[in-house]
This record gives sequence, C-alpha cells and structure tokens, in this order.
Amino acid sequence: SQQGEEDPQALSIQEGENATMNCSYKTSINNLQWYRQNSGRGLVHLILIRSNEREKHSGRLRVTLDTSKKSSSLLITASRAADTASYFCATDAVRGSNYKLTFGKGTLLTVNP
Amino acid sequence: ETGVTQTPRHLVMGMTNKKSLKCEQHLGHNAMYWYKQSAKKPLELMFVYSLEERVENNSVPSRFSPECPNSSHLFLHLHTLQPEDSALYLCASSQGLHMGYGYTFGSGTRLTVV
Repeated sequence: SQQGEEDPQALSIQEGENATMNCSYKTSINNLQWYRQNSGRGLVHLILIRSNEREKHSGRLRVTLDTSKKSSSLLITASRAADTASYFCATDAVRGSNYKLTFGKGTLLTVNP
Repeated sequence: ETGVTQTPRHLVMGMTNKKSLKCEQHLGHNAMYWYKQSAKKPLELMFVYSLEERVENNSVPSRFSPECPNSSHLFLHLHTLQPEDSALYLCASSQGLHMGYGYTFGSGTRLTVV
C-alpha cells in the first residue's frame, strides 16, 4: 500500500522564489527521506530525517517532520531553474519489513527562469 | 555518475524476446534493489537482495527473474514480457538493509515492449 503521498502534484514558480512540498503518510515510521528525479533519470537522495528529529537543513533545503500529524515538508529556498525536477518522499514502516522504502507519486516542480 | 551503473539505458524488445538488465555498484553497499517506475504511479519495489540473498519478492510475475551473483552486481532477466511491462526500471543500492541509509539509484533502463 502507498505510504507517502506528496502534495501538490505539480508546482510552478519563478526563479528566486521558495518552493514548499508536503508529504503525508499513514503509519508510524523510523525515517523519512526526500529524493529528486530529473526527467527520465534515476532518483537522487537529498536528505534523511529520523523520527526523533523535527527539522534538518542541507544547503538550500529545509525538511521538517511532524510525527503527530504524520507529515513532512521540503522547502527549497531561492529556487533555480536547475531545481526543476520531480520530488519524492519515501518512508519505511516501523512494523514488518522496515527496510522497504515506499515512495509517493511525487511533486513535479517547475522553476521558470 | 552516482556509483550505480545500469545498462542498457534503453531497450526495445518484442514479447517473445529474452533480455537482461544489468546493474553494477562499487560503493561497497550490501543491499541492492529493483524498482519499476510507470507513468502516473508510485515506484514499485520488485526485489530486494542483501549480501546476495533475496529477501523480498514483491509478488512480481515470474517473467521477471532476478539474479545477484555477488554484492556488486544485480541482473533482471526478462522473458515473454507484456506491453504493460514497459516502464523505467531502476536499480538502487544501500549500505545495508536497515533504514538509516539513503539509497543510491542508477539512471535506469527505459524498457519498451512491443
């Protein structure tokens, strides 16, 4: 069953603006990860946040995690045209096969120059 | 290059053909994965290998047959595929099975079944 679900499905912004994408999930997790995928290519790991963390930064990326709401957000600040890609959240599950990384359908971000 | 190499990048095959997809990593990772990515659908986990042993077979049809001869190489053997099997097939690896690790993905093989 699908665990993570991204929102919105598509987002179009101007260069220099901030982009925020959200992810909701259904069951308790150990970790949540965000990935980026350029068109027709493989996924690139961006950031991992553990269930006992609330916020994490990496360069222009900021990820938050709210386990009480079962949600996460990815903020990209000062966006660039090169940030145009699909962004996916991925979660494991506390119970059962917790090595299985389950992906959502992704948010397609378009950054216009 | 991410450290995970997939070949070929593109493959067109007929429904009666037999072909193989190859994945190679020299990152020292112990776990390898096959995912299928179809349009408008989430990534689907197909197979998981840890230290060359298959630990997950996610209800994948038998026309897909994985092989992991060593911890650096993973194959996906294809035979008598259907047009709905056309998709991007992604290989990934991670340090171990435990979920504290991010996955490293290859660039994928774009498969078209005609």
